[in-house]
Amino acid sequence: GAVVSQHPSRVICKSGTSVKIECRSLDFQATTMFWYRQFPKQSLMLMATSNEGSKATYEQGVEKDKFLINHASLTLSTLTVTSAHPEDSSFYICSASAGLAYEQFFGPGTRLTVL
Amino acid sequence: KNQVEQSPQSLIILEGKNCTLQCNYTVSPFSNLRWYKQDTGRGPVSLTIMTFSENTKSNGRYTATLDADTKQSSLHITASQLSDSASYICVVRREYALNFGKGTSLLVTP
Repeated sequence: GAVVSQHPSRVICKSGTSVKIECRSLDFQATTMFWYRQFPKQSLMLMATSNEGSKATYEQGVEKDKFLINHASLTLSTLTVTSAHPEDSSFYICSASAGLAYEQFFGPGTRLTVL
Repeated sequence: KNQVEQSPQSLIILEGKNCTLQCNYTVSPFSNLRWYKQDTGRGPVSLTIMTFSENTKSNGRYTATLDADTKQSSLHITASQLSDSASYICVVRREYALNFGKGTSLLVTP
């Protein structure tokens, strides 16, 4: 399968700071990328869908001004958690696909801890 | 409502034993169903994919079944190994959307 990487794998930050998470598709062009959040013992929850060169589409209840998504190239999408708070602590997973109808390949995830 | 329910929530088995995980769904219309393995602190990795017309699919020691009429799927793991300890997630695709189960946490003990 295709390879998707995330960086960093884990990050600890202070409350009020911003954190950027990168998601890269290493061996294919990802027209569409997805960002998920996963709390302990819970299923993955879709936060937003982004298409290269377009604004992201956010799921209901996800604050677009807090979770900034940029998908400027076919191999890179970034998620910036602005003014992070302890309740934002979670496991963030991205996935990439060649398009909405194609298989999603998941990244290894980023563990965010906000103190 | 498009839901995916998995059982059991958690399972402990001895190394070498077999086990079967269950997935019931109400997702409609149905596109396909995947079973993923998610190691702790890692992203999900696809084990099998099944479309409407497929009843059984194997991937090494993993065998998935699908009954599209009853909207049920199972994942059977044969001769379990310690490395099988992980969360197994059932994901049903409905058009462009993925519907995730909460997963079954499997622990294989020596």
